[in-house]
Amino acid sequence: GNSVTQMEGPVTLSEEAFLTINCTYTATGYPSLFWYVQYPGEGLQLLLKATKADDKGSNKGFEATYRKETTSFHLEKGSVQVSDSAVYFCALSIQAGTALIFGKGTTLSVSS
Amino acid sequence: GAVVSQHPSRVICKSGTSVKIECRSLDFQATTMFWYRQFPKKSLMLMATSNEGSKATYEQGVEKDKFLINHASLTLSTLTVTSAHPEDSSFYICSAPLAAGGPTEAFFGQGTRLTVV
Repeated sequence: GNSVTQMEGPVTLSEEAFLTINCTYTATGYPSLFWYVQYPGEGLQLLLKATKADDKGSNKGFEATYRKETTSFHLEKGSVQVSDSAVYFCALSIQAGTALIFGKGTTLSVSS
Repeated sequence: GAVVSQHPSRVICKSGTSVKIECRSLDFQATTMFWYRQFPKKSLMLMATSNEGSKATYEQGVEKDKFLINHASLTLSTLTVTSAHPEDSSFYICSAPLAAGGPTEAFFGQGTRLTVV
């Protein structure tokens, strides 16, 4: 079946460190891929997305590239800030109008 | 951008009572909305798919008589937790996808923290 696997963490970094959160997927067909972020006590916000192989999604300094050959969509940021502390979810969508399939989420904690 | 509003953000209720949570799409029509439950270790569990004008589709293991879903209009879906018990305490999140045809991202409500005492 369709699924998303991401490193669970927690990931603890110092400010300005480099961030990578790994995400791999299993899917039939050609999914769209997403990263969502959840700040404490809030719902999920779309961080970035990619809809086909080799696409790179980017937003707020975060990037992820849709790698079909490795079925991966790793999230990266060159220099994290304390304000980036949150839970990050990798997700995929197989078909328009259907529910997203989420990974289990990765908690990121950035200290100054 | 598209906005989904969820209300209330927090609710505390007594065991045995019912609680209604509303999910509204503010600037687009949503024939389908999804209800998730988030457990303490962060994972999101899809509970049900809410369909405007028809019955909701529940995921395996979710009690439809306990978690009543009504999709009254193209912009409103409600989740009612009936006869709530402490084990129903959780964070509930709704989402609505944009119209079919494009990248099927979904927009999420702010979530509702339910505490049953």
